Amino acid sequence: KAGVTQTPRYLIKTRGQQVTLSCSPISGHRSVSWYQQTPGQGLQFLFEYFSETQRNKGNFPGRFSGRQFSNSRSEMNVSTLELGDSALYLCASTTPGGAYNEQFFGPGTRLTVL
Amino acid sequence: GIQVEQSPPDLILQEGANSTLRCNFSDSVNNLQWFHQNPWGQLINLFYIPSGTKQNGRLSATTVATERYSLLYISSSQTTDSGVYFCAVVNQAGTALIFGKGTTLSVSS
Repeated sequence: KAGVTQTPRYLIKTRGQQVTLSCSPISGHRSVSWYQQTPGQGLQFLFEYFSETQRNKGNFPGRFSGRQFSNSRSEMNVSTLELGDSALYLCASTTPGGAYNEQFFGPGTRLTVL
Repeated sequence: GIQVEQSPPDLILQEGANSTLRCNFSDSVNNLQWFHQNPWGQLINLFYIPSGTKQNGRLSATTVATERYSLLYISSSQTTDSGVYFCAVVNQAGTALIFGKGTTLSVSS
């Protein structure tokens, strides 16, 4: 079974631009979560989608948004990029059967904002 | 919210040595996972262990939920074990993983 895939793997943007990252979960997984990893703040939860609905949201500004499609693929968007948005963005999908099940991560998208 | 503390923050070992990594959490949890982050940034699942003991080769983990801690044991360490080890939990209220700051393990030959 294929793992979680994320595209693109690397991205360079300039301040003020916007960016869209994509995540395809493991087949059969309907929950997708997004996390941001920075050297200063560590790994932080952004949001979680289940059946095309945002089910949970972390403490990030409204510039960070996401959506999920009917095939469970998810995208996250960051508008008006800031230097501090430079980070590794990780997507995870959760085994079906409940909210507290095991999460599996993709390889991440490394975003650099210049 | 729930706090996750990992210790030690850094660990330097010679190949073949054993080690114990600790994760303390401040509230009851429904999910606890251990991950190894490889040099390219991917989080590799080691254990899903909200309670009890599990073993996988040279690695084993124990979670004592009533005392709010988990331990990851690495035996006969190899250079490929180097990297950052994270503990993450989900509390009773949510679906988000809350991560500790990690333990950076360096194994030299």
